[in-house]
Amino acid sequence: GNSVTQMEGPVTLSEEAFLTINCTYTATGYPSLFWYVQYPGEGLQLLLKATKADDKGSNKGFEATYRKETTSFHLEKGSVQVSDSAVYFCALSWSGAGSYQLTFGKGTKLSVIP
Amino acid sequence: SQTIHQWPATLVQPVGSPLSLECTVEGTSNPNLYWYRQAAGRGLQLLFYSVGIGQISSEVPQNLSASRPQDRQFILSSKKLLLSDSGFYLCAWSEGGQDTDTQYFGPGTRLTVL
Repeated sequence: GNSVTQMEGPVTLSEEAFLTINCTYTATGYPSLFWYVQYPGEGLQLLLKATKADDKGSNKGFEATYRKETTSFHLEKGSVQVSDSAVYFCALSWSGAGSYQLTFGKGTKLSVIP
Repeated sequence: SQTIHQWPATLVQPVGSPLSLECTVEGTSNPNLYWYRQAAGRGLQLLFYSVGIGQISSEVPQNLSASRPQDRQFILSSKKLLLSDSGFYLCAWSEGGQDTDTQYFGPGTRLTVL
């Protein structure tokens, strides 16, 4: 079956620190991979996406590269800000009956302190 | 551009009372629609999805039901709420058919059952 494993949180960093949130997946075929972000009390926002091996998704200073050989899609940012404090979800897509479905990791809570 | 609305934003209901949560999407036709529940510290659980009017697929047997009376309207219901129904309910949409696998989420409804 399909599954996503991401590092347990919470993660606490100082402002301007380097961020890595690990994500690995198990899937049949070639899924698309996603990172979503959820700010407190809000819904999920798409952060970035990659659709095939070696693709790099990027947005708002965040990056993640689709690594088929290691089945990974780690999220990175060079210098975090307090405003990046949120829960981050890694997800993969797979084809269900009539539509694509998403399988999510359990989320990693990031807190950035000034 | 497309937008997704959910209401109410928050709801406090007694055990045994009925429930109706509404989700509407604007700016697209024949979207795929999804209901998720996010319980505290437990990630996202897909409850229902729909690929068209009157077409509902249930992922988890439980105390809830879903309906799609119009193309861009998705309703989550219960006849009698349980304490375990408390959580954050998220609606999402994606482009209809198999052409795209990206889901976009609404702002969510926080449900507390007392």
